[in-house]
Amino acid sequence: KQEVTQIPAALSVPEGENLVLNCSFTDSAIYNLQWFRQDPGKGLTSLLLIQSSQREQTSGRLNASLDKSSGRSTLYIAASQPGDSATYLCAVRPSQTGANNLFFGTGTRLTVIP
Amino acid sequence: DTEVTQTPKHLVMGMTNKKSLKCEQHMGHRAMYWYKQKAKKPPELMFVYSYEKLSINESVPSRFSPECPNSSLLNLHLHALQPEDSALYLCASSQGALGGARETQYFGPGTRLLVL
Repeated sequence: KQEVTQIPAALSVPEGENLVLNCSFTDSAIYNLQWFRQDPGKGLTSLLLIQSSQREQTSGRLNASLDKSSGRSTLYIAASQPGDSATYLCAVRPSQTGANNLFFGTGTRLTVIP
Repeated sequence: DTEVTQTPKHLVMGMTNKKSLKCEQHMGHRAMYWYKQKAKKPPELMFVYSYEKLSINESVPSRFSPECPNSSLLNLHLHALQPEDSALYLCASSQGALGGARETQYFGPGTRLLVL
């Protein structure tokens, strides 16, 4: 079964810093990888989706990379802002099954200090 | 409209109660999902409906009973729950359950359930 791990579990940075969140997965047979944001007690918002054939995706201050062969992805956040404070989850969609089920990582809780 | 709505937002129930969670989307998506998320844990898939038919049941206890009355609605019927079932229940939808590599799931805000 696919195992998805995120490091660190929690991160606290001053406003304006650039930061990197890490995600690793055990089975490289994936269809795509997504990064989500979750605010406390709320649902998930999709930030970036990287297809298995892609190496990276960018949206504004966010850049996500994917190294499928080594089972790793990173989410880079530039010039962090207090509004970026949330839990960030990565999720992989396995390619073996036909359904669009996602396996989520353990999450990184980010706090950006003003 | 890229919104998935869930009601109620909060629910407190006793172990002998019967209640239902409701999820709705009007994006024309043909796949809908229920996830369970315990505190400080990642979401875990419970059920997948594809074209209103149950396609995945991740060995969920029978006290949870999903229902998909039409392509826009997804219900989760709850009966004789245990305190350990207390969690955030998330609904999601996507264009199709066999979607392409670019397809994402859209999540609702969740229902926070407390079983006493």
